[in-house]
Amino acid sequence: EDQVTQSPEALRLQEGESSSLNCSYTVSGLRGLFWYRQDPGKGPEFLFTLYSAGEEKEKERLKATLTKKESFLHITAPKPEDSATYLCAVHQTGGSYIPTFGRGTSLIVHP
Amino acid sequence: DSGVTQTPKHLITATGQRVTLRCSPRSGDLSVYWYQQSLDQGLQFLIQYYNGEERAKGNILERFSAQQFPDLHSELNLSSLELGDSALYFCASSPGPQETQYFGPGTRLLVL
Repeated sequence: EDQVTQSPEALRLQEGESSSLNCSYTVSGLRGLFWYRQDPGKGPEFLFTLYSAGEEKEKERLKATLTKKESFLHITAPKPEDSATYLCAVHQTGGSYIPTFGRGTSLIVHP
Repeated sequence: DSGVTQTPKHLITATGQRVTLRCSPRSGDLSVYWYQQSLDQGLQFLIQYYNGEERAKGNILERFSAQQFPDLHSELNLSSLELGDSALYFCASSPGPQETQYFGPGTRLLVL
């Protein structure tokens, strides 16, 4: 069964303490992997799309990378405003249009 | 601001009632998705439309239905509401069926 698993479920960091979030996926073929940020009670905000292994994208303190089985969201020197839930989602090849979302990683950055 | 709009923002209703949630996609986007997010639950995909036609169906109850109109806005109809239907309902849009989705601010539904 196709699956997207995010770890850890929750992460607490001190301001400035860099870390990584993981998204592992098992699909027959990857069309695209997406990262979103979601603040409580709000809609997910698009961050990155990755299409092939080896691809990397950066935005401010965030950097997303992709391998054949997983993606990492690296957060460098986080600030309290980076606190949110980070979601990854996968679209697979082969005609299924149903996107698969992970459960997310809840990140809290303490000042 | 993603460019996706949803109305209403909040909805309080009683069990057994019927409600309609509305979504306007970003300009130029042909695909619309609906999701349900309950407390402590992840995003549950409900249904997708592309240019007026249903393209994919997820875990959508028979009491729920949706459609996409010629102007590309979409409506999600929820009927015979139960307490367990209380959740955040999100709409997302994308240019094509499997492209990056942009989410609206959501409609918070409370069934009493």
